[in-house]
Amino acid sequence: DSGVTQTPKHLITATGQRVTLRCSPRSGDLSVYWYQQSLDQGLQFLIHYYNGEERAKGNILERFSAQQFPDLHSELNLSSLELGDSALYFCASSPQGDRAHTIYFGEGSWLTVV
Amino acid sequence: GESVGLHLPTLSVQEGDNSIINCAYSNSASDYFIWYKQESGKGPQFIIDIRSNMDKRQGQRVTVLLNKTVKHLSLQIAATQPGDSAVYFCAENGDSSNTGKLIFGQGTTLQVKP
Repeated sequence: DSGVTQTPKHLITATGQRVTLRCSPRSGDLSVYWYQQSLDQGLQFLIHYYNGEERAKGNILERFSAQQFPDLHSELNLSSLELGDSALYFCASSPQGDRAHTIYFGEGSWLTVV
Repeated sequence: GESVGLHLPTLSVQEGDNSIINCAYSNSASDYFIWYKQESGKGPQFIIDIRSNMDKRQGQRVTVLLNKTVKHLSLQIAATQPGDSAVYFCAENGDSSNTGKLIFGQGTTLQVKP
């Protein structure tokens, strides 16, 4: 158990819909990352938040957005969903300081768009 | 562009043998290199990391080697066990920033035969 909690574990929704994925980082971690894992693209970095502020963006679609709340939990919002958005979405968190590059992943949220 | 790639998609070894998983990277600016293990249905799990100023780092039954001259990274697992069966990813941070914004390779599946 990494200490990172993600909900829901599985989600099936229709094209055009909007979903919200939730994440609680490890206790004490201020950084939260979102990654997408798909068969064709592998593990791709989406976005990084640190203590409520966006720090870096990766290949995140404009239809996707994220935020980190004062209690440090984070949400990834996916809207106008397309079939190609079906993937495993991971949240990860990392400590500060020298170990900031060692991210700890949650179990992921399986999204299926039908 | 930046990329991290693996030489072999699948590696099959006998239980008790040593395993070597290889990875090539392209970004000379990467300062941290990390290995993750992903078991079926789970999130990636941190195994070991190495900083660019090191050539070798050892953990429990695992050793990571870094050859900056040829931009090559390897993970050696001693006395491979059935529980080591998983997909292994190498990752790099891609620049000099110490964050969890990582570039992942495509992964190598390790199969351990009893």
